[in-house]
This record gives sequence, structure tokens and C-alpha cells, in this order.
Amino acid sequence: SAVISQKPSRDICQRGTSLTIQCQVDSQVTMMFWYRQQPGQSLTLIATANQGSEATYESGFVIDKFPISRPNLTFSTLTVSNMSPEDSSIYLCSVTLWTHAYEQYFGPGTRLTVT
Amino acid sequence: QQPVQSPQAVILREGEDAVINCSSSKALYSVHWYRQKHGEAPVFLMILLKGGEQKGHEKISASFNEKKQQSSLYLTASQLSYSGTYFCGTEIPQETSGSRLTFGEGTQLTVNP
Repeated sequence: SAVISQKPSRDICQRGTSLTIQCQVDSQVTMMFWYRQQPGQSLTLIATANQGSEATYESGFVIDKFPISRPNLTFSTLTVSNMSPEDSSIYLCSVTLWTHAYEQYFGPGTRLTVT
Repeated sequence: QQPVQSPQAVILREGEDAVINCSSSKALYSVHWYRQKHGEAPVFLMILLKGGEQKGHEKISASFNEKKQQSSLYLTASQLSYSGTYFCGTEIPQETSGSRLTFGEGTQLTVNP
């Protein structure tokens, strides 16, 4: 298994500003993902964070809005840029040890409120 | 190609059984099941690979019918601790290396004393 921490755990931000969320894992992992979850709703994949290269974004998500870094096998950041109230959500980091048929471990999440 | 879960919600009394279904319109490589309690992160329950296998531990088990592209999660003799939202995640074969999960809308399970 893997233990994942996220910072900050929650934040309240003003419209137009940016927030960077950090994800730290206690061991080296193969794949890291960033999800968004509205309260009471499903998990939506934003992107796969690739170590040493550009992240792979899902349809509807772009790098200018959600730049992602992954400088090594245990750390990644997600930035929510030029925020609007529609960005209010819970952002979750997730990791796996394999590339296929893997079990995912989720971080505790970052609850973001944009006013 | 989000999988479809049913039912959306179920309320049980302690000791009763429940079945949660997950179906996909695409051929699947694997199906994953997670449980999320309110205010917490999703927790992995089990993974089923194509081949129609059934898995389980204690009183929670699951099956995967590859031909029907369906999976079912079985909770028997439910306990209060089973309450939460259950998500299935489906993995579809992709040409590029690595793959990703697409999660269903979730099934909210409430177990009452």
C-alpha cells in the first residue's frame, strides 16, 4: 500500500487567483493521478501526472487551467489557475504501483472553495 | 464511457444483504470497487480481471461477467460499518501504455441498526 498526504487540506480562495495543491507519497509509485469530486458526486479524472514529462489531460481539462508537475516518483503538484466559483470542489491525488489492473490509493483530498 | 451503477441508493437494516450492479457499454479489462465514507477518501475494496472470476473477503464479494460487461458487488449480513458510497471503476484496454479508471456515479448505502 501507499500513504499519501495532501497540502493544503482545505482553502478558501478569491476569484481570479491560483492555488497549488501538493501530493506526497511515502514510497515510489508508478502512476499518479489527479481527480476532482463535487460533493455527493462521482470522481472525475483531470489528468495523469507523468514523471519527467508533460501530464496527460482528460477531455475537458487543459494544461493552462490545471498545470501539473511531477518532478520525481513520490511528489506531484496540481495548480488550479485563474479560479472561478465553478472550480469549488474536492481535489484528490491518487497513486498506483502498476500500469494495468492496479489498485489505486487516494489521498485525503483538498477541499477548495472559491468566492 | 462512464459505467452505470444501480441502484443509486439503498437502505438496509443491519444483517440484511445488498447487491450493487455496474455495467459498461465497452469491453472491460478490469473492474474495481471502492467505498467512500462521508468526508473521507475512497478506499479500495477489490479488483476483478476479465475472466468472470469472483472475489471476496469476509462478507463482501464481487463477480465480473466479461461477456455482459457487468460486475456486481455483494454485501451479505451487512454491518453498520458498511455504510458509505460505493463506486465501481472500469478499466478499458488502451493502446498507449498505462490505463485509467472511469468511475460510476456511485451507490449510497445506508445500514441502520
